[in-house]
Order: sequence, then C-alpha cells, then structure tokens
Amino acid sequence: QVQLQESGPGLVKPSETLSLSCSVSGGSINSGNYYWNWIRQPAGKGLEWIGRIYTSGSTNYNPSLKSRVSISLDTSKNQFSLRLSSMTAADTAMYYCARGAGAYYDFWGQGSLVAVSS
Amino acid sequence: EIVLTQSPGTLALSPGERATLSCRASQTVSNIHLAWYQQKPGQAPRLLIYGASRRATGIPDRFSGSGSGTDFTLTISGLEPEDFAMYYCQQHGSSPPSTFGQGTRLEI
Repeated sequence: QVQLQESGPGLVKPSETLSLSCSVSGGSINSGNYYWNWIRQPAGKGLEWIGRIYTSGSTNYNPSLKSRVSISLDTSKNQFSLRLSSMTAADTAMYYCARGAGAYYDFWGQGSLVAVSS
Repeated sequence: EIVLTQSPGTLALSPGERATLSCRASQTVSNIHLAWYQQKPGQAPRLLIYGASRRATGIPDRFSGSGSGTDFTLTISGLEPEDFAMYYCQQHGSSPPSTFGQGTRLEI
C-alpha cells in the first residue's frame, strides 16, 4: 500500500517562500505510470489543484499560481517537493500531496497545515 | 477553464435513504476524466469513483456514479452513518489540468 506523508513548517511569514516535502513509501516514486501532485484546501473551503510532476521531471502548474510555484522530484529520497513564493494570508491552507493515476488521485497524504502570519 | 458546479450545497437525509448528488460541468467532460471523492472532517479526500462510474478499490457497492457530457451524478443507496461527509467531483482537463467542484455536504 502506497503511503504519502507531507512535512514542512506550519507557519510562514508573509512574503516568504513555503517549502514542503512529500515522502512516498510502499513503492518507488519512479515506478508505474503515475505523477505526483500538490493540492490545497483553505479551512472550510474546497480543493485547489496546485501542480504536478511526472517522473520524467516534466511539470504542470495551475495558471493562477504558476508564477510562484515550483515542484521538484528527488528519486534518491523517494520524495517530491513544493515551493510557493511570496506567501500571503490567502495561501493559508491545508496542503496535500497526492498520487495521480490517469485522471484521478488515488492516494493522498494526511495533509500539512500551513498558516501565513507575521 | 472547466468549472464544476455541485448541487445541492447541503443534503440532509437519514440513514437508509438514497442520496443523489449532482455535478455539472461548464463544458463537456470525457467520462474517463470525471472522479468523485469523499472527505470527512480532519481527513484527506478519499477516491470513490473514477471514470465517472468505476468504483475505486474497497468502495462499497452502495456508491455508484453515472452521467456523461456535462452532467454527472453520484448515488449512495442505503446511507450508512459513516457516509455523512463532504463529497467533491473532479475533472481532468487541459488548463488547468484539474479542477474540483465546490462540494456537497451530506448531513444527517
């Protein structure tokens, strides 16, 4: 069974850059026809897809965040990472990593709560 | 961008009843690109249905998905207490590659 686990700071200051990692266990991040995603959810609100990375290193980002987002892959550690720059209060949310399989997300991490505050 | 609109926003039913949740897309969505998720408080979403009508591994057969084009439905036959949760539809498209509906809250 594949498991994903997010890690990173719970608090980020305005204008700073958020860095989160997602560790994958129960399988190689390189195996299978999968891609790796970041999705976020502000408290009490819906889900917003942030971006994805394929094992080839190719990435796609939500156009609304594209200028501030970067996703990278570290196959040696079996993990992938998110960087989101110029953080504001509007970026306060639960951040999930998820495995993409075809057109859907079949495994999710438990989430990492990130607050933006000085 | 394809916008998904879910209705109703909140659905109040009793255990044993049948729930019908709607997801309407602003443009045609291929069936293979439509999925449904369940989310309980404090938990990550869980995949229920993919390809509009295929149950994910371990999902009880009281959950079923249907629809095509711009109108999709998630049906839960014989609600169990653990089914009361938020439900989201999701489509896989071009730009952005993925969008979610705003959710339907299923409450007792």
